[in-house]
Amino acid sequence: KQEVTQIPAALSVPEGENLVLNCSFTDSAIYNLQWFRQDPGKGLTSLLLIQSSQREQTSGRLNASLDKSSGRSTLYIAASQPGDSATYLCAVLNDYKLSFGAGTTVTVRA
Amino acid sequence: DGGITQSPKYLFRKEGQNVTLSCEQNLNHDAMYWYRQDPGQGLRLIYYSQIVNDFQKGDIAEGYSVSREKKESFPLTVTSAQKNPTAFYLCASSIDRESIQYFGAGTRLSVL
Repeated sequence: KQEVTQIPAALSVPEGENLVLNCSFTDSAIYNLQWFRQDPGKGLTSLLLIQSSQREQTSGRLNASLDKSSGRSTLYIAASQPGDSATYLCAVLNDYKLSFGAGTTVTVRA
Repeated sequence: DGGITQSPKYLFRKEGQNVTLSCEQNLNHDAMYWYRQDPGQGLRLIYYSQIVNDFQKGDIAEGYSVSREKKESFPLTVTSAQKNPTAFYLCASSIDRESIQYFGAGTRLSVL
């Protein structure tokens, strides 16, 4: 059974600092990995999707890397802003099922 | 305005009552999903449907039922057999099972 872990559970940084969020998974036979953002009491917004054959994916200030063999992904957010405050979830797709981590809650202090 | 609409936003269930959560999408997606989110935990899959008139159990299907009579609709019924229904319920859809999933805004269910 796929297990997805996100560490740390919470993170607080001053505005302008770069954010590094970690995700690990136990079964490396994944089809893709997705990063989502969730604001309090809201649904999920897809940020990035990395196919299993890719090493990284970029969108604006966001960059996600994938090391499938070691079961790790990292989401980098450059020059953080207060608007980046949210919970970030990673999810891996294998056997046509998406398995989620519990998320990292980020607070960016102005 | 394309997207996924969940209703109601808040729902209260009395003891022994069945309640139904609505999920409608106008994205023309074949696949639809229901997840449950509890505080401090990742989302857990309840049911999914790859195509009209077909659906499969996820990891925590006990006490829940679904139907998929139309491509755009995938309602979830929380039955009285679900003893701990208080949670945030999220509906999602995707073009197929391997593509990005798009989520609705969620329904928060509480027990009176």
